[in-house]
Amino acid sequence: EPEVTQTPSHQVTQMGQEVILRCVPISNHLYFYWYRQILGQKVEFLVSFYNNEISEKSEIFDDQFSVERPDGSNFTLKIRSTKLEDSAMYFCASRDRTHEQYFGPGTRLTVT
Amino acid sequence: AQKVTQAQTEISVVEKEDVTLDCVYETRDTTYYLFWYKQPPSGELVFLIRRNSFDEQNEISGRYSWNFQKSTSSFNFTITASQVVDSAVYFCALSEALIPGANSKLTFGKGITLSVRP
Repeated sequence: EPEVTQTPSHQVTQMGQEVILRCVPISNHLYFYWYRQILGQKVEFLVSFYNNEISEKSEIFDDQFSVERPDGSNFTLKIRSTKLEDSAMYFCASRDRTHEQYFGPGTRLTVT
Repeated sequence: AQKVTQAQTEISVVEKEDVTLDCVYETRDTTYYLFWYKQPPSGELVFLIRRNSFDEQNEISGRYSWNFQKSTSSFNFTITASQVVDSAVYFCALSEALIPGANSKLTFGKGITLSVRP
């Protein structure tokens, strides 16, 4: 069964460093999402991406964040200068036109 | 704006008890979808069910059942004869219609931590 994959599973970085979280969505899916879950809290929407552009972003998704679909298979989330409060689990999701989102296993980001 | 409220934060039951997890939602959309996800200690999000706003039939899947009541904007989840493996965080979520062109981001509730003791 096709699945969404994410790498790395755990990333540790120092405050101020740039990180790139990678996702490979399911191949025939058209809509892509990033969500964030701070430890012990709810899952929050960050950004959605369709037709090679951002379709919606939340207020969390400020200028420090960017997304890209560089090669037709990967979908990346970049955080330019990480802060302590960026420590969270980041989930990628994708969907086709009419079905629910399929989530990846998540990347745990720890900013020290 | 969409909102999902899971008023229960933690529930603890003894194995074989039945347990109901509550979910109340708010939306201005006339067409929308409701979901339940399970998050075990390993951290991944496991899809359990999707229900659209036009289908108020209750659903049963093994030990799981869901009660959707549009009149009270609720979508409750019952686990019958709970097992230790059911211990997890359970999230209710809401999205607009899953149609081409719709963003359909998910709005999650805060989750309910279910502990099932042997």
